[in-house]
Amino acid sequence: DGGITQSPKYLFRKEGQNVTLSCEQNLNHDAMYWYRQDPGQGLRLIYYSQIVNDFQKGDIAEGYSVSREKKESFPLTVTSAQKNPTAFYLCASSSWDRVAKNIQYFGAGTRLSVL
Amino acid sequence: GQQLNQSPQSMFIQEGEDVSMNCTSSSIFNTWLWYKQDPGEGPVLLIALYKAGELTSNGRLTAQFGITRKDSFLNISASIPSDVGIYFCAGPPLGGSRLTFGEGTQLTVNP
Repeated sequence: DGGITQSPKYLFRKEGQNVTLSCEQNLNHDAMYWYRQDPGQGLRLIYYSQIVNDFQKGDIAEGYSVSREKKESFPLTVTSAQKNPTAFYLCASSSWDRVAKNIQYFGAGTRLSVL
Repeated sequence: GQQLNQSPQSMFIQEGEDVSMNCTSSSIFNTWLWYKQDPGEGPVLLIALYKAGELTSNGRLTAQFGITRKDSFLNISASIPSDVGIYFCAGPPLGGSRLTFGEGTQLTVNP
C-alpha cells in the first residue's frame, strides 16, 4: 500500500534530550512537510522540503531541525532548545503534478510528551 | 501569514441532522481543500475544489468553491456518529504553494 508512515506513534522526551521523529513515504512525492498541532488548534508549519538536500523553515522552526537526504525520508529532530515540545506532530507529502500539487497527504501522527 | 477564518469552531448535533461549515479568507485562493481528522489520527482529504463556483460531492458531503474565490462551504447531510471529528479547510493563496489551514470545526454527533 502507498502511504506515509510516521514512527513512533507515541514518544516521550526527557529534559535536555533531543528526539527524532521518523517520516517515510512511498508515494514518490517530491515535497514533504512537518506540522505541529496543539489541542484545539489548527496546523502550524515547522519545516518543508521541495526537493532532496533542500528544505525551508516554516512558521515555527525554532527548536527543530530536519534533513532530506533521500526523497522518501524527512526526519524531524526536536531539540532541547524547544522548550514546549508537547504536541501532536504530523508529516505530509505532496506531488508537483500540475493539478494535484496543492494536495497534501498526511501520516497518522506522532504524539510527543515531556517526562 | 495568510489566515483562514473557519466557522463555527464547534458543533453539537443530533444524528440525522444536516451540517454546514464555512471558511473565509481576505485573499484569493486558487484551490480549496477540505480535510477530516479523526481523534489521534492525521487529516484525510475529503474534497478538492479547483474552480470558482465549483460544486463537488463525495457521498453525503458537498463542498463549494465560492464565486469570489475567498470562501468555501462544506455541507454534510444526514449526519451519522462516524462523522465525529475535526474538519479543516485549507488552500494555497493565489501565487503561493504553501497550504494555509483553518482552525478547524469540531463536530460532535449525538446518537
